[in-house]
Amino acid sequence: GNSVTQMEGPVTLSEEAFLTINCTYTATGYPSLFWYVQYPGEGLQLLLKATKADDKGSNKGFEATYRKETTSFHLEKGSVQVSDSAVYFCALSDLGVTGGGNKLTFGTGTQLKVEL
Amino acid sequence: KAGVTQTPRYLIKTRGQQVTLSCSPISGHRSVSWYQQTPGQGLQFLFEYFSETQRNKGNFPGRFSGRQFSNSRSEMNVSTLELGDSALYLCASRVNSGANVLTFGAGSRLTVL
Repeated sequence: GNSVTQMEGPVTLSEEAFLTINCTYTATGYPSLFWYVQYPGEGLQLLLKATKADDKGSNKGFEATYRKETTSFHLEKGSVQVSDSAVYFCALSDLGVTGGGNKLTFGTGTQLKVEL
Repeated sequence: KAGVTQTPRYLIKTRGQQVTLSCSPISGHRSVSWYQQTPGQGLQFLFEYFSETQRNKGNFPGRFSGRQFSNSRSEMNVSTLELGDSALYLCASRVNSGANVLTFGAGSRLTVL
């Protein structure tokens, strides 16, 4: 079955540091890949997505590239801010592969803490 | 445009009771999915409804059920509550079965005592 593996957290960084959160996946076919962010007490917000190999998703300074050869979708940001403190989830969608509708398979989440 | 609305936001129940959670999708969205989030198991897919029909179901016991109404609003029900059902229940909607982007609500936090 499908699975997503994320690096363990928490990740603690100083403001303006470079961020990388690793994500690898196992899936049949050609899934779409996503990063969602969850702030305390809230639901999930879509951060960025990529639907095919070599696509780069980007939003709010965050980027991730769909690497089929390494089955990876690592999240990066050049300079983090305190306001980026949240839990980040990598996910894949097997839409159309199984014909049974769409469902997201999530990683375990990585908590990011950014300090001044 | 209003987002996905879930009610209630917080609720406390005791073991053996049942609970019903409600989700109103974004206007025009016809597909609604439900996920359970717990510290131990993370985010797990419960089921998806499209045009009042269940399209996909996760690996949960029959105590977990759902339905969708003709206006696309959805409810999920958990009967005979167990302590392990304490979780954040997230609803998400998308335009149709061909769209791959889900928009999530803020969730309903259920505590079972």
